[in-house]
Amino acid sequence: DVKVTQSSRYLVKRTGEKVFLECVQDMDHENMFWYRQDPGLGLRLIYFSYDVKMKEKGDIPEGYSVSREKKERFSLILESASTNQTSMYLCASSLSYMTGNNYGYTFGSGTRLTVV
Amino acid sequence: AQSVTQLDSQVPVFEEAPVELRCNYSSSVSVYLFWYVQYPNQGLQLLLKYLSGSTLVKGINGFEAEFNKSQTSFHLRKPSVHISDTAEYFCAVSELTTDSWGKLQFGAGTQVVVTP
Repeated sequence: DVKVTQSSRYLVKRTGEKVFLECVQDMDHENMFWYRQDPGLGLRLIYFSYDVKMKEKGDIPEGYSVSREKKERFSLILESASTNQTSMYLCASSLSYMTGNNYGYTFGSGTRLTVV
Repeated sequence: AQSVTQLDSQVPVFEEAPVELRCNYSSSVSVYLFWYVQYPNQGLQLLLKYLSGSTLVKGINGFEAEFNKSQTSFHLRKPSVHISDTAEYFCAVSELTTDSWGKLQFGAGTQVVVTP
């Protein structure tokens, strides 16, 4: 069964800490995405990557950065965590749009981050 | 730019009754359309998608959706719900442009609560 795996289900961090959220996929997908999910706001795109070492800002990139050194791994970094970054973070992957197909995303189970 | 509106934030429904979740979108180009479901404390799972062809799309767990291009809608229906259908449902749109990279824009979600 194909999977997107997020390394932590729950995290509690202190304000000002540097936080790493890890995501690994085993489907050889080109695209990977990081979203945050907040009640009433749905899913908002933070960053995405369409290839190794390539990244593009999404709708809400402020306060975040990403790293994609290998095709299967996409990391989200909170440089200095703040309480307004308390949220559910979802990683997803998909085939490259350039293949002419769009079968949607495969999602990980999410990481619920609390910043205190 | 695309946008997605889910017209109901919460839909209460009795077990074995029908349910319809409404989704409207706006875009100046052709789109692909998706419905995802999120069960408590889990990631999102693809219910169904419309890419082309028949405007009536059948998905998993007895759900179906109809694409109406003139109304720019993609409403989700199920003729008879079960308690296990209690979840949050997200409508998503992907624009068919080369610079979209297959990104999905999500609605704010509709919480379905099924009671006996």
